[in-house]
Amino acid sequence: AQSVTQLGSHVSVSEGALVLLRCNYSSSVPPYLFWYVQYPNQGLQLLLKYTTGATLVKGINGFEAEFKKSETSFHLTKPSAHMSDAAEYFCAVSDVDSSYKLIFGSGTRLLVRP
Amino acid sequence: DSGVTQTPKHLITATGQRVTLRCSPRSGDLSVYWYQQSLDQGLQFLIQYYNGEERAKGNILERFSAQQFPDLHSELNLSSLELGDSALYFCASSVVGSSYEQYFGPGTRLTVT
Repeated sequence: AQSVTQLGSHVSVSEGALVLLRCNYSSSVPPYLFWYVQYPNQGLQLLLKYTTGATLVKGINGFEAEFKKSETSFHLTKPSAHMSDAAEYFCAVSDVDSSYKLIFGSGTRLLVRP
Repeated sequence: DSGVTQTPKHLITATGQRVTLRCSPRSGDLSVYWYQQSLDQGLQFLIQYYNGEERAKGNILERFSAQQFPDLHSELNLSSLELGDSALYFCASSVVGSSYEQYFGPGTRLTVT
């Protein structure tokens, strides 16, 4: 069965600093991987996805993630944090064995210091 | 705006009551997923419907049920509510229930008192 682990429930960075949010997955089949962002009192917004092909995936708002099969990782990065990036970020893997439901990590809250 | 709508936005009710949450998927999306977000359990899959038929079930309690109507909107029914059912309930839709990404609605915040 697929699973997702997000290291660090809280990450704090200064504005302008690199953002790195970690995600490791477990999957017995080639995974479909996603990053979602949740702003306070809002739903989840898709940042980016990996299904097949290029392992470096670019998403919205300057975020990108790299699929590394050997490390079973899909870390999310952004070169320069903005105050508006403060939110909770969820990594998810799609259960390709049945229904393609999403299995989420526990989330990482990103704090951006001025 | 994802194009997925959910009503109501907030719901406050008492233990033992029954409520219905409604979801309208994006135009053209046949698949609807329901998820529950709570502090202790995180985001968990409840149930999926595809073109009116139940496709998959997750950790959904027997007190909960759902359906998808011919116009593709879906309803999640929660009965005999308990304090622990207080959570955010999200609906998501996708194109054909495959590997395509899911688009989430704004959620319904349920508070059971």
